[in-house]
Amino acid sequence: EAQVTQNPRYLITVTGKKLTVTCSQNMNHEYMSWYRQDPGLGLRQIYYSMNVEVTDKGDVPEGYKVSRKEKRNFPLILESPSPNQTSLYFCASSPQPSSYNEQFFGPGTRLTVL
Amino acid sequence: GQQVMQIPQYQHVQEGEDFTTYCNSSTTLSNIQWYKQRPGGHPVFLIQLVKSGEVKKQKRLTFQFGEAKKNSSLHITATQTTDVGTYFCAGDENDYKLSFGAGTTVTVRA
Repeated sequence: EAQVTQNPRYLITVTGKKLTVTCSQNMNHEYMSWYRQDPGLGLRQIYYSMNVEVTDKGDVPEGYKVSRKEKRNFPLILESPSPNQTSLYFCASSPQPSSYNEQFFGPGTRLTVL
Repeated sequence: GQQVMQIPQYQHVQEGEDFTTYCNSSTTLSNIQWYKQRPGGHPVFLIQLVKSGEVKKQKRLTFQFGEAKKNSSLHITATQTTDVGTYFCAGDENDYKLSFGAGTTVTVRA
């Protein structure tokens, strides 16, 4: 089944404890992106990647890192999480190396930072 | 930077009635995309509009892209309980960064 998977789906952690949220797609898509969703703010783009080893900042990149070593994986790293990073996170992928086309979203990761 | 504003934030609709949600951008867009997110779910792509003045229909849903490519609307006729959810528009300015509106959350009274 063609899909975007994220792990973990739920995570409660404490301030300052490094964590990684994994994202993987099996559709051979070029473009991948991370969003965070907060009430009243919609989806805000954190980072995106047009292809392997090519990443760039979205609108809210502070406090986050990403890497794209393989086409299928795009992990989101929080080196020192803070409570203001409590949010619902979505990974998405798209066939072409741009955001021009339909985005396929993963199921989401709900993160709570205490 | 680019901002995409969406109104209204909430829409409470009587089953069978029509409603419209609007999306406005501060800059000209290369295309606009619409997504639907069911409660507890993830956003799912509905449609993409590319051309100035474009109108597309999907059953009871009608999507429009403004002539200046800075605004868009989604009109739903004869609302059903299956229409419950949050509808997002997303504007693409430079083919790499996608800016989402805050969404319109729709509830339906039976």
